[in-house]
Amino acid sequence: EIVLTQSPATLSLSPGERATLSCRASQSVSSYLVWYQQKPGQAPRLLIYDAFNRATGIPARFSGSGSGTDFTLTISSLEPEDFAVYYCQHRSSWPLAFGGGTKVEIK
Amino acid sequence: EVQVVESGGGLVQPGGSLRLSCAASGFTFSSYGMSWVRQAPGKGLQWVSAVSGSGSNTYHADSVKGRFTISRDNSKNTVYLQMNSLRAEDTAIYYCAKAGGAYGDFWYFDLWGRGTLVTVSS
Repeated sequence: EIVLTQSPATLSLSPGERATLSCRASQSVSSYLVWYQQKPGQAPRLLIYDAFNRATGIPARFSGSGSGTDFTLTISSLEPEDFAVYYCQHRSSWPLAFGGGTKVEIK
Repeated sequence: EVQVVESGGGLVQPGGSLRLSCAASGFTFSSYGMSWVRQAPGKGLQWVSAVSGSGSNTYHADSVKGRFTISRDNSKNTVYLQMNSLRAEDTAIYYCAKAGGAYGDFWYFDLWGRGTLVTVSS
């Protein structure tokens, strides 16, 4: 069973700043790593699939990188609507799993 | 409109059963895997179960194996989660989610419902 560890747990930043979120897998997931955004009271929204592919309608300020066990989600310049919780998920093998989440909050 | 809508949640006593439903529309339902993901109050996301487009392959998290069963009826564009022997720790919002790609193991989720709340308490 693959475990995903996200860091930091909370990221305090100001609008316009760059956000760098990390997701580490307990063993290689190749490029099968996914990122979601979740706002309070809402369902998750797909941002990035297979490490670096932006989902339909996702702004270019969101980018994903990494392979194997270490992955990064970067938000190049935070907009007010980007303050939310971000989760990674692997689809490398069963069982699927999510990371614990990173909350991006307004500083 | 492309959407999935969950129903069937509610309050149930420990040891009880509940069946969740997820009605899909706006896409070729039988071409896509479907999954259930839950979120306990104030907690993160937890994958629960998945079923292939044909329904022939099912997968469950260890925490629910033997208690929960996922199934689908492609004639009704609906996926189900039968939950038996419910425990307090099963209390969560249960989301239905559509796999991101057709005819394959594209187990990321590009369409989510609003969720249905299951509360297990005496």
